[in-house]
Amino acid sequence: AQSVSQHNHHVILSEAASLELGCNYSYGGTVNLFWYVQYPGQHLQLLLKYFSGDPLVKGIKGFEAEFIKSKFSFNLRKPSVQWSDTAEYFCAVTDSSGSARQLTFGSGTQLTVLP
Amino acid sequence: DAGITQSPRYKITETGRQVTLMCHQTWSHSYMFWYRQDLGHGLRLIYYSAAADITDKGEVPDGYVVSRSKTENFPLTLESATRSQTSVYFCASRLPPRTGELFFGEGSRLTVL
Repeated sequence: AQSVSQHNHHVILSEAASLELGCNYSYGGTVNLFWYVQYPGQHLQLLLKYFSGDPLVKGIKGFEAEFIKSKFSFNLRKPSVQWSDTAEYFCAVTDSSGSARQLTFGSGTQLTVLP
Repeated sequence: DAGITQSPRYKITETGRQVTLMCHQTWSHSYMFWYRQDLGHGLRLIYYSAAADITDKGEVPDGYVVSRSKTENFPLTLESATRSQTSVYFCASRLPPRTGELFFGEGSRLTVL
């Protein structure tokens, strides 16, 4: 079974600081990878996704993530965070075998950006 | 463009009572899901459905029942609520397999006293 680890449970940054949130997964096959964001009081929404091709993917609001297959990682980055980026971020993985399986989510990282 | 709507958004109930959380989507997505969100656990899948009348267990199905008589509705029932079922419940739907992108409702916060 696949699993996802997000080692940073809570990250606190000042505005304009750079962000990197770690995500590691365990699965031996081909995977699809996602980052979801949940702003305070709102539902989860997709930030970015990787299926294949260029391992550096760009998402909304200036976020990007890099898939490093050898490290089983899909870290999320942003060069300069804003107060409005305060949210909880979830990494997720699903196998790409074509079976109708659900996503496996990590436990989430709460990001607090101080003004 | 209503998307996915969940009701009720907030519910307080007592141990042993039956509770049903409703989920309705307007996109005609074939796949629908119920997750619970708990601190330190992220989102865990309770049940999912590939189509009307087709449902399957997820990671934490015990104590829950689902049905899907119509494509657009996917209710989740707690037959006899327990305190451990206090959580935020999210319904989600998605397009056919391989895309993987889920569209979430706004959540139902359930407190079991």
